[in-house]
Amino acid sequence: EAQVTQNPRYLITVTGKKLTVTCSQNMNHEYMSWYRQDPGLGLRQIYYSMNVEVTDKGDVPEGYKVSRKEKRNFPLILESPSPNQTSLYFCASSLSSGGDTEAFFGQGTRLTVV
Amino acid sequence: TQLLEQSPQFLSIQEGENLTVYCNSSSVFSSLQWYRQEPGEGPVLLVTVVTGGEVKKLKRLTFQFGDARKDSSLHITAAQPGDTGLYLCAGDLTDSWGKLQFGAGTQVVVTP
Repeated sequence: EAQVTQNPRYLITVTGKKLTVTCSQNMNHEYMSWYRQDPGLGLRQIYYSMNVEVTDKGDVPEGYKVSRKEKRNFPLILESPSPNQTSLYFCASSLSSGGDTEAFFGQGTRLTVV
Repeated sequence: TQLLEQSPQFLSIQEGENLTVYCNSSSVFSSLQWYRQEPGEGPVLLVTVVTGGEVKKLKRLTFQFGDARKDSSLHITAAQPGDTGLYLCAGDLTDSWGKLQFGAGTQVVVTP
């Protein structure tokens, strides 16, 4: 089954404790991205990757890091989480970066930073 | 400020009624997509429109892309409880390759 898998689904952590949210896709997609979803703000792009070893900032990259060492994986790293990073996070993948290409989303990771 | 403004923010209707959700911008988009998101899930693509003035139908859902490619609408005929969800529009700006811009969404609730 074609899917994007994120882990964990829920995470509560303390300020400053480094964490990684994993994302994996099994569709051989080149394009992957991370979004955060906040009430009233919709989905905002954090980082995206056009292919292995090619990443770039989205609209809200501050406080986040990513890496793309393999085509299927695109982890999101929070080196020193802060309460304003409490949010619902989604990983997405698509065949290409074109806006007419279907984006497949993971089920989301609800992160709470206390 | 949202690049894509969706209205209304919330819509509650009875089963069998019709509804329309709007997505507006001052910017021109190469293409525009509509997604539906259910609680605890990621958004799922409903449709992509790429040509100004284009109309697409998906069973009881009708999608329209404005002539100037700055706006879109989603119309649902005879809504059913299964149509309940958060409807998101997402656009690809003509000069912003690689970045999808999302609206804040319209929460639709259809009660039996």
